[in-house]
Amino acid sequence: NAGVTQTPKFRVLKTGQSMTLLCAQDMNHEYMYWYRQDPGMGLRLIHYSVGEGTTAKGEVPDGYNVSRLKKQNFLLGLESAAPSQTSVYFCASSYQPGRPYNEQFFGPGTRLTVL
Amino acid sequence: GENVEQHPSTLSVQEGDSAVIKCTYSDSASNYFPWYKQELGKRPQLIIDIRSNVGEKKDQRIAVTLNKTAKHFSLHITETQPEDSAVYFCAAAILTGGGNKLTFGTGTQLKVEL
Repeated sequence: NAGVTQTPKFRVLKTGQSMTLLCAQDMNHEYMYWYRQDPGMGLRLIHYSVGEGTTAKGEVPDGYNVSRLKKQNFLLGLESAAPSQTSVYFCASSYQPGRPYNEQFFGPGTRLTVL
Repeated sequence: GENVEQHPSTLSVQEGDSAVIKCTYSDSASNYFPWYKQELGKRPQLIIDIRSNVGEKKDQRIAVTLNKTAKHFSLHITETQPEDSAVYFCAAAILTGGGNKLTFGTGTQLKVEL
């Protein structure tokens, strides 16, 4: 049981390049989330999904796109990276139908630097 | 949308003392309040949570209190130990089945000194 995993762990991009971050969970969770963490600003929600094939905007969605083609995977895309997107990105998942727990389980994070 | 404010941003205590971190929220519909601990370079991990139908919850040295009228909640750590040193985040959410989206505070850096 790996929990929530993220790929890659580190990445350096040049301005204008694109990339995709992959999140995978093996807990049969319905909900998945992408956050960014910047110094002094806590964790801010970028996009989230309440089930396979669904996505929705969070607090800071501009410049990012997401897809949830399979229940266990949630992809975060940057089409044209900007230095302002330098951050640590965390994926999380939660909620199994029929179970009362609401805990969000986080992945290990991806440290992204945009030059 | 929801806004969560957290204080203090840094907190230094002596080993064995108590530590208190406070948060306020803006949306009276919020009904779920978790606290996460994040060690340096690691992922956030849930340490305790409380729902709005409960005023206080305790788990060994950690307790959380909730005042719905004032819209604030607090984390209390007693008998602090060096391994309690970390960043602590409070959060708030409305549990509706619509994603249970968390709004986080900006974090408190707790340092427990020997």
